[in-house]
Amino acid sequence: EDQVTQSPEALRLQEGESSSLNCSYTVSGLRGLFWYRQDPGKGPEFLFTLYSAGEEKEKERLKATLTKKESFLHITAPKPEDSATYLCAVIRGDKIIFGKGTRLHILP
Amino acid sequence: GAVVSQHPSRVICKSGTSVKIECRSLDFQATTMFWYRQFPKQSLMLMATSNEGSKATYEQGVEKDKFLINHASLTLSTLTVTSAHPEDSSFYICSAWGRGSYNEQFFGPGTRLTVL
Repeated sequence: EDQVTQSPEALRLQEGESSSLNCSYTVSGLRGLFWYRQDPGKGPEFLFTLYSAGEEKEKERLKATLTKKESFLHITAPKPEDSATYLCAVIRGDKIIFGKGTRLHILP
Repeated sequence: GAVVSQHPSRVICKSGTSVKIECRSLDFQATTMFWYRQFPKQSLMLMATSNEGSKATYEQGVEKDKFLINHASLTLSTLTVTSAHPEDSSFYICSAWGRGSYNEQFFGPGTRLTVL
């Protein structure tokens, strides 16, 4: 069965303290892996799509990487405004299946 | 990027009434839209796939008679929660693939439903 598992469930960092969020997946024939950011009471905001192992994408303080079994979202020198829930998802058929997310809290 | 809107953003209703939520793709046509439900501090749960011109496809465990989906046009899908009860209170979000590709799936801002 296709599964997406994110860890940790929650993460508290000091401002400027870099870290990584993990997304492991078991999908036959990965067609794409997404990272989204979701703020409370809002819909998910698209961040990245990764298609193949070895691929990397960057946006401001975020960098997403992909291997054959997992993806990492690296956050460098985070700021309080980076606090949000980060969701990982994979394509299954014409749908996308989400992990449970990592709640990230950056302390000033 | 492509924009998906939802209306209303918040709705409060009495138990037993029906509530309709609209999802629109504003600058692109979407033959397929998706409806999700999200409980506090939990991830998005896919409820159904809305197909323009045909019946929706529901995920296992989702009551099709409770959650009526109509995809009336290439830019509009509606979710009607029938005979709502307090346990139907949740955050409902719709989404669509942008411009027919699988590069990005765009999400609406969500609708907060509270059933009293």
